[in-house]
Amino acid sequence: RKEVEQDPGPFNVPEGATVAFNCTYSNSASQSFFWYRQDCRKEPKLLMSVYSSGNEDGRFTAQLNRASQYISLLIRDSKLSDSATYLCVVIATGGSARQLTFGSGTQLTVLP
Amino acid sequence: DTGVSQDPRHKITKRGQNVTFRCDPISEHNRLYWYRQTLGQGPEFLTYFQNEAQLEKSRLLSDRFSAERPKGSFSTLEIQRTEQGDSAMYLCASSFVSGTEAFFGQGTRLTVV
Repeated sequence: RKEVEQDPGPFNVPEGATVAFNCTYSNSASQSFFWYRQDCRKEPKLLMSVYSSGNEDGRFTAQLNRASQYISLLIRDSKLSDSATYLCVVIATGGSARQLTFGSGTQLTVLP
Repeated sequence: DTGVSQDPRHKITKRGQNVTFRCDPISEHNRLYWYRQTLGQGPEFLTYFQNEAQLEKSRLLSDRFSAERPKGSFSTLEIQRTEQGDSAMYLCASSFVSGTEAFFGQGTRLTVV
């Protein structure tokens, strides 16, 4: 089983739609959670951190459920420019380890 | 440009040759990571440095792979006796010790023919 698993996608949605991505992680020692965005043939860039109480940044809402080891990302009123791959990222600490573990990514295409 | 930079951006090499990639992190960052990404997959962790110390290596990092960060600044990743399966995007990232956000370079795309 992969440490971080995401919805396989791809998701094709019309402009203005609301879309949600899910991610589960297996390591209960995980302490930090993020969503990164990666455009085609580009490097990953941080979209938002995910906090225990849930957090919102404009049209984007991230939620964390530690009991179920589950993270979600909700995008409201989707734009064409939201088309990208969304990567769920987890950091588990233990010893000196502080690596970012990525999911495989969920591809989103917003259609006009 | 004060972001993470990687060189070269693209590398085509024949199977069996050695290749070396360079990463220059954001200057204030103590941590430096190397990842490998293949099409349709998320980045896979290879190794990580805190200053000049290599603190963790993935099992993906076979004995053909070696990474260094000699002065705690730039880092190199060398692949010896390249194989076709080494073809991938090699990404470098850096972060503060106490921080969590990692900033990525644009990557080096390796093609082994």
